[in-house]
Formats: sequence, structure tokens, C-alpha cells
Amino acid sequence: GQNIDQPTEMTATEGAIVQINCTYQTSGFNGLFWYQQHAGEAPTFLSYNVLDGLEEKGRFSSFLSRSKGYSYLLLKELQMKDSASYLCAVRDRGTDKLIFGTGTRLQVFP
Amino acid sequence: ETGVTQTPRHLVMGMTNKKSLKCEQHLGHNAMYWYKQSAKKPLELMFVYNFKEQTENNSVPSRFSPECPNSSHLFLHLHTLQPEDSALYLCASSQDSEVPQETQYFGPGTRLLVL
Repeated sequence: GQNIDQPTEMTATEGAIVQINCTYQTSGFNGLFWYQQHAGEAPTFLSYNVLDGLEEKGRFSSFLSRSKGYSYLLLKELQMKDSASYLCAVRDRGTDKLIFGTGTRLQVFP
Repeated sequence: ETGVTQTPRHLVMGMTNKKSLKCEQHLGHNAMYWYKQSAKKPLELMFVYNFKEQTENNSVPSRFSPECPNSSHLFLHLHTLQPEDSALYLCASSQDSEVPQETQYFGPGTRLLVL
């Protein structure tokens, strides 16, 4: 079966660091994506991991462990504009479909 | 600005109405997608078109009918919908739906309310 789990909500303070976890179970793994979605707006691409390890892109980093079925998105130096939902999505090797988690709603407070 | 536009942005319709959602991508992509996003549920893939051919129908009820006249345009025709069909309908595009690392670019969605 296919299953993506991520926390429903998180809160953090401006300037802090937050880690959003995602665990997954798929019949075949072919890459993991993180998207950011502000309320009422389109999801926008943040990162793609297909090999184990950390991918850093400015204030955002994404980590993948295929053996553990685990990824996290790390946001540093949080800003108010980072308040959004963060969607974890796994590409299933057999179907080529993107399977999405329910998203983690992050609220950043001053 | 993601290069994917959707109209209308908001739609209210009765259960007996017929309406269509439109999506247009200006990115030169060959694959287009319809997703449904309901509150507290994951994004659900509905349909996939790759090079104008429908390659995926994810067990979607026949009251939803997609149309892809060319690689830049995608429609979702709606008829006799149910209140539980109320959701945000997102269109996305990518270069090729069969390339694993290809990023999907999303439009802003149409917020649909069925009364």
C-alpha cells in the first residue's frame, strides 16, 4: 500500500529553526518532493530528493533516508512569510504517480 | 507567477448545473494534471494527460469529464455534481509525466462549492 505521514500542524518563532518530518510507505520509491502552499495559492516546488542525504537550498534543506522511508524539511531563520502548508509527496515507481501527504500547516509567530 | 493559470478562481453551482473549469500552461510542457484538494485530506490525483493522451483516470466518477485539446489547455467538465465534490481543484503541468524527477507546476486552483 501507499501511505504518507506528516504532522498536521506546527508552530515556531520568527528567527528559529523548524524541522518538518515525513514518513512514507510505497510499493516502489522514485523520488520525494516538498512543496509549499500558502493559503488560497498554488503549491510551489521547494525540493526534490531521490538519493540519501541532505540537499541544501538557501534557508531550506531537505533530507532523505530511503532505508527508513523518512524525509525532513528544515527551515532556518524563519520568517513570517514562511507561514504556509508544507506538502510531502512521493513518486511511486510502478505508477509514476505523485502521492501526497495531508500537509503540515506551519504558523510562524513574531 | 507559476506559468499555470486557472479560471474561474471561484465557482458556486447547483447539483443540476453544467460548468467547465479551464487550465492553461505557458511553460511549453507536455503533461497536464487535475487534482482535487479537500480540507484535511491529501491532494488526490484525478486525471493525467501526456502529449494530449489521457494516461490516467484515477477512478474518478463520470460526472467529471476531462478534455485536453492541446498540450497547453486542459478542461474539466462538471455535471450533476454532489455537495461532497466541493473542493479546490488544482491543475498542474510538467515536461513529461513519465520522467520521475520532473517537477509539477501548479495553478492557483478553482474553489468549487456545490449547493
